[in-house]
Amino acid sequence: AQKVTQAQTEISVVEKEDVTLDCVYETRDTTYYLFWYKQPPSGELVFLIRRNSFDEQNEISGRYSWNFQKSTSSFNFTITASQVVDSAVYFCALSEANDMRFGAGTRLTVKP
Amino acid sequence: DGGITQSPKYLFRKEGQNVTLSCEQNLNHDAMYWYRQDPGQGLRLIYYSQIVNDFQKGDIAEGYSVSREKKESFPLTVTSAQKNPTAFYLCASSILAGRAYNEQFFGPGTRLTVL
Repeated sequence: AQKVTQAQTEISVVEKEDVTLDCVYETRDTTYYLFWYKQPPSGELVFLIRRNSFDEQNEISGRYSWNFQKSTSSFNFTITASQVVDSAVYFCALSEANDMRFGAGTRLTVKP
Repeated sequence: DGGITQSPKYLFRKEGQNVTLSCEQNLNHDAMYWYRQDPGQGLRLIYYSQIVNDFQKGDIAEGYSVSREKKESFPLTVTSAQKNPTAFYLCASSILAGRAYNEQFFGPGTRLTVL
């Protein structure tokens, strides 16, 4: 069965620090997709990125970057120069075949 | 604006009562989903629907029911059979049938509290 582990329950940083959120997944399929979502205090999940299992290129979008490594089954998310508005719960998710699984989430607090 | 709406935002229910949570989308998405979120946990799938008049159980369907009479609407009923219904409920939709490869777009959620 597929599984997503976000070992960091809570992280607290000071504004402008870089922070990395870890995501480790388990799957038997060779075709799968990985996602990151942000859940701000309002509660609505916001889609950040989707990655398929055949594309290991790292992705950068502004202050956000993602490091996908199949060798370690990890899909880590880094925020550079964090800001207070980055405070949220971040979820990693794995989708294969007809099933999507979410990790337990990491609560990030960025202090001014 | 296109998006997903859920109502109400907060819902209080007495034990033994059924309640229905609304979810509407105007994104013309084929698939819709209901998730439950408990504190400190990820999202767990309750039900999903890929086409009108068809839906499948997710991991925690017991005590819940759904209908999909229209493409844009996917209401969730929390029945009295649900032992611990207090939670945050999120509705989502995605383009094309099949959950695997398409990102899901989420509504703002409904927080249900059983008194």
